[in-house]
Amino acid sequence: DIQMTQSPASLSASVGETVTITCRASENIYSYLAWYQQKQGKSPQLLVYNAKTLAEGVPSRFSGSGSGTQFSLKINSLQPEDFGSYYCQHHYGTPYTFGGGTKLEIK
Amino acid sequence: QVQLQQPGAELVKPGASVKLSCKASGYTFTSYWMHWVKQRPGQGLEWIGEINPSNGRTNYNEKFKSKATLTVDKSSSTAYMQLSSLTSEDSAVYYCAITTVVGYFDVWGAGTTVTVSS
Repeated sequence: DIQMTQSPASLSASVGETVTITCRASENIYSYLAWYQQKQGKSPQLLVYNAKTLAEGVPSRFSGSGSGTQFSLKINSLQPEDFGSYYCQHHYGTPYTFGGGTKLEIK
Repeated sequence: QVQLQQPGAELVKPGASVKLSCKASGYTFTSYWMHWVKQRPGQGLEWIGEINPSNGRTNYNEKFKSKATLTVDKSSSTAYMQLSSLTSEDSAVYYCAITTVVGYFDVWGAGTTVTVSS
């Protein structure tokens, strides 16, 4: 199975700051990577797919990049509603696997 | 709009089985693969498996092959996942989700919290 490793596991940032979350795949997954946001007690919501394509309705302050084994999710000008957990997931065939998650706390 | 409805919670005894449901609406049920994802308290996400509602074809994560059984009822647009021989390790939130394009989950149910306790 493809292993997905996310970092950092947690971070704290202030409103208006820019943060970056990284995700590494154990093998080449080309651009088959998705990012999700999950708020406490809610289901995950798709943010980005194919490494850099924003899902419908996702604000442009979110951006995804990378290919192969190294990927990142960047959030510009953090807003209070951006707190929560973020997960990467490869979609290069089954079994799909997720990263361990990054918990983003707003200072 | 596209919706996946799941019951909020199930309480089951150790060693028993439970059948979770996921009722789809707002789209043609047979058009998209249905997936199930597990999330233990405070933990990450695990893909359990997928089912093609049009023909019942399934793919399972090897880890869950002996634990989960996926089925569908096309007449009611409902997907089911049966979990067997439950232990405390099976206490988790179970989500159903669909992939309108192969591979990424763009619509999720609200999840069913399964608690295994005597």
